[in-house]
Amino acid sequence: GAGVSQSPSNKVTEKGKDVELRCDPISGHTALYWYRQSLGQGLEFLIYFQGNSAPDKSGLPSDRFSAERTGGSVSTLTIQRTQQEDSAVYLCASSSTVSNQPQHFGDGTRLSIL
Amino acid sequence: SQKIEQNSEALNIQEGKTATLTCNYTNYSPAYLQWYRQDPGRGPVFLLLIRENEKEKRKERLKVTFDTTLKQSLFHITASQPADSATYLCALDVYSGNTPLVFGKGTRLSVIA
Repeated sequence: GAGVSQSPSNKVTEKGKDVELRCDPISGHTALYWYRQSLGQGLEFLIYFQGNSAPDKSGLPSDRFSAERTGGSVSTLTIQRTQQEDSAVYLCASSSTVSNQPQHFGDGTRLSIL
Repeated sequence: SQKIEQNSEALNIQEGKTATLTCNYTNYSPAYLQWYRQDPGRGPVFLLLIRENEKEKRKERLKVTFDTTLKQSLFHITASQPADSATYLCALDVYSGNTPLVFGKGTRLSVIA
């Protein structure tokens, strides 16, 4: 079946612009996660959605970052007024409702801020 | 402070040998630990999960151990092949259930023919 799909795969934009990154999780997965991976760094947790519960936003680095998940499926991560330090690969993952399950990752969006 | 360390940034081994990667953590009490493989330009791919009450888990040429006393997991690839070359990430579930994982920075493994 289809895996996690992310778009765009690459995004280049100017400093100060807003960007939207999209994630299509695996059908039926209730948990959805956004991570950020900078060069030479590990995956940094950003935000987590579980079913209809309020999202866990504890990893968002600033109020310029926000995310929503519509209809319990597709999610959009928005970065407003982008800064050069926002340049990174943004990864989305989903997992099933059963606990202790692996996370399934998309191939990420490589964001470059000029 | 809480920390996850993977033994080295890079590890080179000869084809056919066993690769051993280490994941150490401090100030966590994870319910389980996962290992992922990441190839350049791709997202991580799940390999193995081991629970806190399990000592060892195997899958084909892969073996993972989990020592909650030492706060350490070892990841072994036996009879390594050049196709095993990738970055391997360990990840802890510190809350149990569907919660964000805490990842190490990874070890880049190169298997030389």
